[in-house]
Amino acid sequence: QQQVKQSPQSLIVQKGGIPIINCAYENTAFDYFPWYQQFPGKGPALLIAIRPDVSEKKEGRFTISFNKSAKQFSLHIMDSQPGDSATYFCAVTTQGGSEKLVFGKGTKLTVNP
Amino acid sequence: GAVVSQHPSWVICKSGTSVKIECRSLDFQATTMFWYRQFPKQSLMLMATSNEGSKATYEQGVEKDKFLINHASLTLSTLTVTSAHPEDSSFYICSARVSREQFFGPGTRLTVL
Repeated sequence: QQQVKQSPQSLIVQKGGIPIINCAYENTAFDYFPWYQQFPGKGPALLIAIRPDVSEKKEGRFTISFNKSAKQFSLHIMDSQPGDSATYFCAVTTQGGSEKLVFGKGTKLTVNP
Repeated sequence: GAVVSQHPSWVICKSGTSVKIECRSLDFQATTMFWYRQFPKQSLMLMATSNEGSKATYEQGVEKDKFLINHASLTLSTLTVTSAHPEDSSFYICSARVSREQFFGPGTRLTVL
């Protein structure tokens, strides 16, 4: 059973476009929602994260929108650049215990010049 | 801050040998570290949770005698792949938890011939 569903699997946009990646979850116990960026052959890097008490969080060109009632959250990349071409993973976790992350399957983003 | 290193970054070994991978938190102490495995074009698969001073907790289906984890200090966790076989070839990534955030190492590419 997939605990977090991520879409689309791949995405191609032109430079300056606003790619949007979506994630949906079922377990309402999840209370921390990070996004990671991974370049080929590298480890994931934390981009931005949100808690369920806010509906939006912005850091630079990256914005998370969170819809608690729909159990969905999304990543928006403003003014996308070719250097943003990477694989993006959403994740979820619950507080307490080891707080292990459950990852989505990933979205490969290509930003064309 | 929050830098995690891994050593080696890549390793090639013969079938039947054992390989040790180190994961270090460079500028912080981590009571909890995680080990992941990632196949090409796939998401991260959690192998085990490593807590300093105690036995690691392995995910279902991960052979604890095959993948030995030791978390001897607050800045170092090691993963030893024992009697490696070609099917163990993969990208191994560690992470360290600080509060709610997980910071990942750069990964280790293991190739077993």
